[in-house]
Amino acid sequence: EAGVAQSPRYKIIEKRQSVAFWCNPISGHATLYWYQQILGQGPKLLIQFQNNGVVDDSQLPKDRFSAERLKGVDSTLKIQPAKLEDSAVYLCASRRTAGRAEQYFGPGTRLTVT
Amino acid sequence: GDSVTQMEGPVTLSEEAFLTINCTYTATGYPSLFWYVQYPGEGLQLLLKATKADDKGSNKGFEATYRKETTSFHLEKGSVQVSDSAVYFCALMYSGGGADGLTFGKGTHLIIQP
Repeated sequence: EAGVAQSPRYKIIEKRQSVAFWCNPISGHATLYWYQQILGQGPKLLIQFQNNGVVDDSQLPKDRFSAERLKGVDSTLKIQPAKLEDSAVYLCASRRTAGRAEQYFGPGTRLTVT
Repeated sequence: GDSVTQMEGPVTLSEEAFLTINCTYTATGYPSLFWYVQYPGEGLQLLLKATKADDKGSNKGFEATYRKETTSFHLEKGSVQVSDSAVYFCALMYSGGGADGLTFGKGTHLIIQP
């Protein structure tokens, strides 16, 4: 079974530019998450989707971050405009819905804002 | 709000030593508890989990017991190997009600010397 795919793996941009990250979850996984992991810290949840609907976006900085999940499969996370403090690894995870099923993580996208 | 506190790293041990990584949590309900591991250059992987009080999770020689009375989920291994060198994250998650993103601790970097 293929794992969670993310692209790009690395991205360097200047502050005030925009950037987008893509995630393809494991086939059949209805629930998708985006996390932000700043160096030296644990991942922090940004947004959770159930199919193509948002379940939790309470920690998403909505003035600059946006996310969508078209057709309940792939997802895109966008930052516009980027700030220096957005430098982090952005992790996508997915899991089957129901019960206490495990979350499977992708390799992440490392963003550097200069 | 909910939170997870882990012992600060790095933790440096010799091969075959006994390992304990402390983890305590603050939660309003009855979460599931997890240990995730991140090997150098790889993504987050689930190491073990426990879904209710007094449950013991185990995998690859690692164990952790869900202690509700002390709100703890300490990770232990009787004899560590060089290949166990990684960053370990303790996390909690609520099930039911839809929103079930993970809340992570800051991570503990474990270094095993031969």
